[in-house]
Amino acid sequence: NAGVTQTPKFQVLKTGQSMTLQCAQDMNHNSMYWYRQDPGMGLRLIYYSASEGTTDKGEVPNGYNVSRLNKREFSLRLESAAPSQTSVYFCATAGDTDTQYFGPGTRLTVL
Amino acid sequence: GDSVTQMEGPVTLSEEACLTINCTYTATGYPSLFWYVQYPGEGLQLLLKATKADDKGSNKGFEATYRKETTSFHLEKGSVQVSDSAVYFCALSLRSNDYKLSFGAGTTVTVRA
Repeated sequence: NAGVTQTPKFQVLKTGQSMTLQCAQDMNHNSMYWYRQDPGMGLRLIYYSASEGTTDKGEVPNGYNVSRLNKREFSLRLESAAPSQTSVYFCATAGDTDTQYFGPGTRLTVL
Repeated sequence: GDSVTQMEGPVTLSEEACLTINCTYTATGYPSLFWYVQYPGEGLQLLLKATKADDKGSNKGFEATYRKETTSFHLEKGSVQVSDSAVYFCALSLRSNDYKLSFGAGTTVTVRA
């Protein structure tokens, strides 16, 4: 079992470009989450999906959109990237318990 | 709102020294409390957790006790190793809030041989 996978691992964008970060899980979990990690700020929730077909905003949703494609996949889209979105992005999943399982992360740099 | 405050780092220790990272929380209701660890270049892994008052979570020689009276969940290890060098995050979640995690800022720990 791969657990939680994220693609790509690294990405460099120019300001204004768009891209989609992919997350997939084989844990049969209902809930999926997108976080960003910035130095000195811990992880902050961008969007989450409590179940297939639903999505909700987290703490820092501006500039992002998400799609819960099916139970396995949850993508994060940057429509017009800005330097402030330079960060490390983590996807996480949770089943019926309160424990979240994290992917390896995507390191994004916006020039 | 719900929040977590943890000890600022960085922390540098010698091998076999004792480690304590302080963590306090503010929450409405009764949260579950977690310590996650992030090794260099990797994602976060659950280190330990506790779901109710006076519970003690433990793993890999680390321990933390859920103290409701002091709203704390301090992480301790009696004898650290170089392999414990990592960033440690304290976090909480509430069932009433869809189990969304609220994280502390993280504490970087470096253990020297």
